[in-house]
Amino acid sequence: QVQLVQSGTEVKPPGASVKISCRTSGYTFTSHPMHWVRLAPGQSLEWVGWINTANDNTRYSQNFRGRVTFTRDTSANTAYMELSSLNSEDTAVYYCARESLGGGGALELWGQGTMVTVSS
Amino acid sequence: QSALTQPASVSGSPGQSITISCTGTSSDIGSYNYVSWYQQHPGKAPKLMIYDVSNRPSGVSNRFSGSKSGNTASLTISGLQAEDEADYYCNSHTSSHTYVFGTGTKVTVL
Repeated sequence: QVQLVQSGTEVKPPGASVKISCRTSGYTFTSHPMHWVRLAPGQSLEWVGWINTANDNTRYSQNFRGRVTFTRDTSANTAYMELSSLNSEDTAVYYCARESLGGGGALELWGQGTMVTVSS
Repeated sequence: QSALTQPASVSGSPGQSITISCTGTSSDIGSYNYVSWYQQHPGKAPKLMIYDVSNRPSGVSNRFSGSKSGNTASLTISGLQAEDEADYYCNSHTSSHTYVFGTGTKVTVL
């Protein structure tokens, strides 16, 4: 079954870091880039960045540059997103999303989302 | 990179057609045919409805169609149905080789 399964809910204090995993199955992991997107309460979807799962190249939104890092483990077919220096505005649901083979940023398959709450 | 501009809300009666606009700049929508549209129901993950401006993924109803003119892309939903009530977001590739989402539009079926 083709799917993306994300790690569970996180609660972190301000200033901490969080690392979310996105475990894939049912397809060749390195054939599709992986994007990360977040949805904060009452806000709109926000693109965080993407990782080329074949060669580890990354591209980050300027809004997160310096605080976010994408990695991947090809042996485990898993992508990771780490966000540091958390503040209350980072409270959101974070999604991983697979880009289609046709490229162009078409996000055809999504994980179920990981809720991250930043609170003291 | 600023978010693409969408109307906050659009409504229509069952069976009617509605159009959602998505306005960007010459650095994103105006320069690339990499515009996609997503539907999101509350508490659910987004779903791809349109990609590359006007292409529908397999399984998406042909009531959904996309187009682009200049710096503005549009999503049209024809034969509006109750299950179409959701939030809709556009997305575009940018000249910085990044992507940007729109501000989102809440569609209400009256």
